[in-house]
Amino acid sequence: AQTVTQSQPEMSVQEAETVTLSCTYDTSESNYYLFWYKQPPSRQMILVIRQEAYKQQNATENRFSVNFQKAAKSFSLKISDSQLGDTAMYFCAARMGSNYQLIWGAGTKLIIKP
Amino acid sequence: EPEVTQTPSHQVTQMGQEVILRCVPISNHLYFYWYRQILGQKVEFLVSFYNNEISEKSEIFDDQFSVERPDGSNFTLKIRSTKLEDSAMYFCASSGDSRGEQYFGPGTRLTVT
Repeated sequence: AQTVTQSQPEMSVQEAETVTLSCTYDTSESNYYLFWYKQPPSRQMILVIRQEAYKQQNATENRFSVNFQKAAKSFSLKISDSQLGDTAMYFCAARMGSNYQLIWGAGTKLIIKP
Repeated sequence: EPEVTQTPSHQVTQMGQEVILRCVPISNHLYFYWYRQILGQKVEFLVSFYNNEISEKSEIFDDQFSVERPDGSNFTLKIRSTKLEDSAMYFCASSGDSRGEQYFGPGTRLTVT
């Protein structure tokens, strides 16, 4: 079965701290793509970062970076120097094999405190 | 910056009525998708569309749902006879290729009463 699991329903950190959100996935496919999406209170779904499974180098996008551990099927998101505007739901999603659909985790609610 | 747009932002309808949700994908994108998110639950895939036909659909996407690209810009989701459990946020997304990231619209909140 192809699944994406986020085990942290909610996290809370102080502004400027670093926070890591966890995601694991399960697939028998060798070719897949992993994504983190942010959903602020407006409920708009915003792409944060992507990682191709065939790339060993971890993706980085400004303050956002991933720790992709392929053998462990783990794909965590690190947010450095967190800002109040980072407060949102964060979803891990995967596109596996030849499938078009994104498979989603349950989400982690991240609260950045001033 | 190009973006996906959706109309209306909020639709209220009575059970049994037909609704059409509209989306304008990013102009040079070729792949289109509908997802839904029931409040407090996971995002669920409904359907993907490429080259004027459905390329993949989920079990949720039964006979009461249909999609169409009536012209070169719009992409619609029709629900023929709405049920209370269809109440959800419906997201349209598009991508430039089959492997690329999907860009989402702001969503349409559908409330079935």
